[in-house]
Amino acid sequence: NAGVTQTPKFRVLKTGQSMTLLCAQDMNHEYMYWYRQDPGMGLRLIHYSVGEGTTAKGEVPDGYNVSRLKKQNFLLGLESAAPSQTSVYFCASSYLGPGRLANTGELFFGEGSRLTVL
Amino acid sequence: LAKTTQPISMDSYEGQEVNITCSHNNIATNDYITWYQQFPSQGPRFIIQGYKTKVTNEVASLFIPADRKSSTLSLPRVSLSDTAVYYCLVGGGTVGNEKLTFGTGTRLTIIP
Repeated sequence: NAGVTQTPKFRVLKTGQSMTLLCAQDMNHEYMYWYRQDPGMGLRLIHYSVGEGTTAKGEVPDGYNVSRLKKQNFLLGLESAAPSQTSVYFCASSYLGPGRLANTGELFFGEGSRLTVL
Repeated sequence: LAKTTQPISMDSYEGQEVNITCSHNNIATNDYITWYQQFPSQGPRFIIQGYKTKVTNEVASLFIPADRKSSTLSLPRVSLSDTAVYYCLVGGGTVGNEKLTFGTGTRLTIIP
């Protein structure tokens, strides 16, 4: 199993350009998350999904859109990139816990995607 | 209102036991308590998880008092490779409680 795979790992954009980050997990997890981490800072939740076809806003959703058309994939889009979106983006997935009602908070992270917006 | 509060940084010498405490005064009944370790340029990695009392695995112990308003991660006999940022995460366990947000974390530096 590859676990959680993020594509691309590095990208440089110019202000105003658009791009999509892809997160793929092969663990059949129900939940998927996108976080951003600025240098020397903690992780901030952008958007998350509790299942195929669902998305929800996190702490810092502005400027980003997401889609979960397939259970194994969670896409993060930047429609018009800004320098403030320069960051490392981490995707994570999580499984249904006991009773198969909700997750437990055990997250499996990808290696990150480093995005620079000039 | 922050869900968790941790010390910003801690230093310790090699071979010592390190205890990092996280405060979560507003923890909900079904919330789990999960700790993560993050090295530079890597994604966070799961260390240990608990709900109440004490949990131990091959790398750490997690102590949770009866009121669950705090938790303590204990790392036995640390080495230089334990230098990392440690995050406490509280959440999950209930439908509608899937919005998992991290606090600032504790930067642990191990001194030779």
